Amino acid sequence: DAGVIQSPRHEVTEMGQEVTLRCKPISGHNSLFWYRQTMMRGLELLIYFNNNVPIDDSGMPEDRFSAKMPNASFSTLKIQPSEPRDSAVYFCASGGDRGREKLFFGSGTQLSVL
Amino acid sequence: AQTVTQSQPEMSVQEAETVTLSCTYDTSESDYYLFWYKQPPSRQMILVIRQEAYKQQNATENRFSVNFQKAAKSFSLKISDSQLGDAAMYFCAYRSRRPSGTYKYIFGTGTRLKVLA
Repeated sequence: DAGVIQSPRHEVTEMGQEVTLRCKPISGHNSLFWYRQTMMRGLELLIYFNNNVPIDDSGMPEDRFSAKMPNASFSTLKIQPSEPRDSAVYFCASGGDRGREKLFFGSGTQLSVL
Repeated sequence: AQTVTQSQPEMSVQEAETVTLSCTYDTSESDYYLFWYKQPPSRQMILVIRQEAYKQQNATENRFSVNFQKAAKSFSLKISDSQLGDAAMYFCAYRSRRPSGTYKYIFGTGTRLKVLA
């Protein structure tokens, strides 16, 4: 199993540009989570999906952020327009339903908005 | 809403010594999981240890153990015989366990552990 795959690993963009982060969860996992990591706030939960359906998006900071999961093997997090304060590491993680199932993280996307 | 608090932004420990990282949480649920994750400079998130709330016995994984105090809503991590490879950011996490099958993980702000040679 390749694990959770995120792309790109690094993204540098200019303020106002659209940014799309991608995630492929582990096959068979039915829950997918998007987190943002900053020094000040640690790991913030932005949104999570169960069986491709968004369950809780209360962590999405603004309307500039949107996330989709069109099928069980792919999800995107989009920021439009991007701002310098969006600079952070964005993680995708997936997990299963079974009792002790742990959360599996991707390697993260380091986003820098200039 | 559930919250997780790590009040120590940074800790230091001498190699071979013992260190304890603190974590408190707030919840109204009775059944849940607690976790400690380690994040080395590579950014990889590694599960260190987990505790099921209904179990009274504290979880142990080799040099890592927890002190789980359910009434106090406290979940501290003890690292014994600290090694240079233990240097990392450590995150405490809470997972609600819902009959509906959906759940979410809430993380704290992290504690950066430095190990001194």
